[in-house]
Amino acid sequence: AQSVTQLGSHVSVSEGALVLLRCNYSSSVPPYLFWYVQYPNQGLQLLLKYTSAATLVKGINGFEAEFKKSETSFHLTKPSAHMSDAAEYFCAVRITGGGNKLTFGTGTQLKVEL
Amino acid sequence: EPEVTQTPSHQVTQMGQEVILRCVPISNHLYFYWYRQILGQKVEFLVSFYNNEISEKSEIFDDQFSVERPDGSNFTLKIRSTKLEDSAMYFCASSDGGPQHFGDGTRLSIL
Repeated sequence: AQSVTQLGSHVSVSEGALVLLRCNYSSSVPPYLFWYVQYPNQGLQLLLKYTSAATLVKGINGFEAEFKKSETSFHLTKPSAHMSDAAEYFCAVRITGGGNKLTFGTGTQLKVEL
Repeated sequence: EPEVTQTPSHQVTQMGQEVILRCVPISNHLYFYWYRQILGQKVEFLVSFYNNEISEKSEIFDDQFSVERPDGSNFTLKIRSTKLEDSAMYFCASSDGGPQHFGDGTRLSIL
């Protein structure tokens, strides 16, 4: 069975600083990986996805993530944080060739301070 | 941009009552899903639906739960006899085989 671990339930950065949100996955078959963002009282919005093409994936709002098979990681980064990035971020995995369900991590709440 | 819409945004129900949560998926999508998020916990898969039948369900999706696509546009989740522990945010999602697109959710509060 696949699973996702997000290290750090809360991350705080200064505006303009690097954002790094960690995600490690466990899957017995090649995975599809996703990052979603959830703003207060809203649904989950897709930030980016990895589907076995390029290992460095660029998403919306300046975010990107790199798939590292050797480390079973898919960390989310953004070079310069903006106040509007404050939200909860979820990493999710879907196995290839199986059902389409997403398995989510526990989420990381990102706080951006002046 | 097309989006998934869910109604109502908040539903308050007495324990033991039936509740129906409604979703309108993106119009050309064929795969539909329900997830739930209990306050402070992670998003959990409930059920997936394709070609007018359930394709996968989790252990959470017991006999109290059912899904239906009553017409060409709606996708519903019914909980037959609600329990306190059903209180959660319920998300509908749809896809065309690619990434899933989520609605804003229905907050279900069981009293």
